[in-house]
Amino acid sequence: DAGVIQSPRHEVTEMGQEVTLRCKLISGHNSLFWYRQTMMRGLELLIYFNNNVPIDDSGMPEDRFSAKMPNASFSTLKIQPSEPRDSAVYFCASSSGQGRPGANVLTFGAGSRLTVL
Amino acid sequence: GENVEQHPSTLSVQEGDSAVIKCTYSDSASNYFPWYKQELGKGPQLIIDIRSNVGEKKDQRIAVTLNKTAKHFSLHITETQPEDSAVYFCAARGSFGNEKLTFGTGTRLTIIP
Repeated sequence: DAGVIQSPRHEVTEMGQEVTLRCKLISGHNSLFWYRQTMMRGLELLIYFNNNVPIDDSGMPEDRFSAKMPNASFSTLKIQPSEPRDSAVYFCASSSGQGRPGANVLTFGAGSRLTVL
Repeated sequence: GENVEQHPSTLSVQEGDSAVIKCTYSDSASNYFPWYKQELGKGPQLIIDIRSNVGEKKDQRIAVTLNKTAKHFSLHITETQPEDSAVYFCAARGSFGNEKLTFGTGTRLTIIP
């Protein structure tokens, strides 16, 4: 398995532009997590899904952020409009969920480094 | 919600010596405590985890101990090697049915050759 795949790896954009980050889960995993990492705040959970359903989005900063799972293996995180304070590394992680072998073991992607000028 | 504190934020040890990183958590119902290692430019990778029915777990040079009464857990790395240099994160998962992992702020470990 290629693991959790994220794209793009790096994105530089200007303030006000729309940003879309993409994530492909590990085959067979049914839980998907979006984390944001900054020096100041460390690893913050933005939102997580179980079986394509958003379970906890309390970490989503504001309405400019939205996340979707259009199918069981793919997710997007969108920021519109982007602001300089959104600059961070965004990680996607997946797990096999409750009651399954290896449940709760998060496997992270390599991250998407976003710079908003 | 869960709050995880991690110390120290930076740690330097001589190659071959041991390194210890400590974490405390706030939710007494937490029952799963993983440790992740993050190398430069990569995502965090699980290195060891422990569940609340176990007090200690060991995997070669790394071990984790858990004290549920005191709500703290620690990572121990023995016979450190240069490739152990990385940022280490502890995490805790809340009550059963909640898959949310809350991470500590990380420890940058540097192994001095």
